[in-house]
Amino acid sequence: GQQVKQSSPSLTVQEGGISILNCDYENDMFDYFAWYKKYPDNSPTLLISVRSNVDKREDGRLTVFLNKSGKHFSLHITASQPEDTAVYLCAAGNTGYQNFYFGKGTSLTVIP
Amino acid sequence: DTTVKQNPRYKLARVGKPVNLICSQTMNHDTMYWYQKKPNQAPKLLLFYYDKILNREADTFEKFQSSRPNNSFCSLYIGSAGLEYSAMYLCASSRPWTHANTGQLYFGEGSKLTVL
Repeated sequence: GQQVKQSSPSLTVQEGGISILNCDYENDMFDYFAWYKKYPDNSPTLLISVRSNVDKREDGRLTVFLNKSGKHFSLHITASQPEDTAVYLCAAGNTGYQNFYFGKGTSLTVIP
Repeated sequence: DTTVKQNPRYKLARVGKPVNLICSQTMNHDTMYWYQKKPNQAPKLLLFYYDKILNREADTFEKFQSSRPNNSFCSLYIGSAGLEYSAMYLCASSRPWTHANTGQLYFGEGSKLTVL
């Protein structure tokens, strides 16, 4: 079965608003969680990652929230800009096994 | 140089014929991954090498093989291609997450396989 799931295929946000992207995972052994950004015809690139020993990590306009009991993590983008428009892929894995699984992606559109 | 290179970029194969895809990186990364990406689906982890140890996913164990003759190169081999193998194949590499780093995967541009 699919290890990592993004239930929302798309999201539209007004410029300046908060974009909230969600991700669910199945495996209790996952201890590494990440968000990647992908532009059309480009490869995904890492935005932000977090280990399971923290519940939250901030980096500028980006914040990752981790809910281990709910097997859920999310990415919040504050003050969303049109240049944030892209596909966002969540990913999770286990640092011991070095495996790494991706979600299907959520297409974010920020309207000026 | 953070480039991961894949060859060929496009591959046309006949049903029943073998397919070999190549990936290379010069970042001295220990781990190299192969993913299969079909339209409207998540990238599916097929297998990965951590150093010289190959790990294959259970549900694709018999469908794909791989070799890693040295740290820089990794291949993905399909012995007998079927129509269901048509997809984009993405190679990625990373440092081990035990390092004090973000664990970032660096992706190649992909090899698009079409099986006819």
